[in-house]
Amino acid sequence: GEDVEQSLFLSVREGDSSVINCTYTDSSSTYLYWYKQEPGAGLQLLTYIFSNMDMKQDQRLTVLLNKKDKHLSLRIADTQTGDSAIYFCAEKASGTYKYIFGTGTRLKVLA
Amino acid sequence: DTAVSQTPKYLVTQMGNDKSIKCEQNLGHDTMYWYKQDSKKFLKIMFSYNNKELIINETVPNRFSPKSPDKAHLNLHINSLELGDSAVYFCASSQVGEVTQYFGPGTRLLVL
Repeated sequence: GEDVEQSLFLSVREGDSSVINCTYTDSSSTYLYWYKQEPGAGLQLLTYIFSNMDMKQDQRLTVLLNKKDKHLSLRIADTQTGDSAIYFCAEKASGTYKYIFGTGTRLKVLA
Repeated sequence: DTAVSQTPKYLVTQMGNDKSIKCEQNLGHDTMYWYKQDSKKFLKIMFSYNNKELIINETVPNRFSPKSPDKAHLNLHINSLELGDSAVYFCASSQVGEVTQYFGPGTRLLVL
């Protein structure tokens, strides 16, 4: 299967942590990604993780991968109003060209 | 020095018309893509070309015809535009052996 599911909305207060979740079905996925889309703009790559990793940290961003449950999460520490955007997870299998995108999570940060 | 560029940025046209969207990348990548993002923001791959050859062709109406004159360009021609074609169309590029793909800014198509 090629479904990548995300919850549609998340609302947090400025300064709190945000956790955006993603589940995927393709067990052959080798690379998993998080993209950010601000209003009226294209997709910007935030971070990615290889399937042989459990965690990756990059400044305020922490990615956790549970390969057994096919679950990926993105934690944003100290969330700011500028983090308000749509966040997409995506997967790709090694040796393929095809990226499968999730449904997107709209993050709203309240001041 | 934009990495992936698209023209036009906005396109408003009447139903039944034929239109083209252009994409260029200056990253030296060998693979380019077209995606469609609908009003609910769902992102679906339409086509992909590797070294000017079509490698991905999802279930897309025949009215959509991609063309890759060279590795750096991938254009999308749409015949007989319909209301349901209204969406944002994103071009992207990647390089075989590298992990990520890069997106253009999108073309907002509105069919009236």
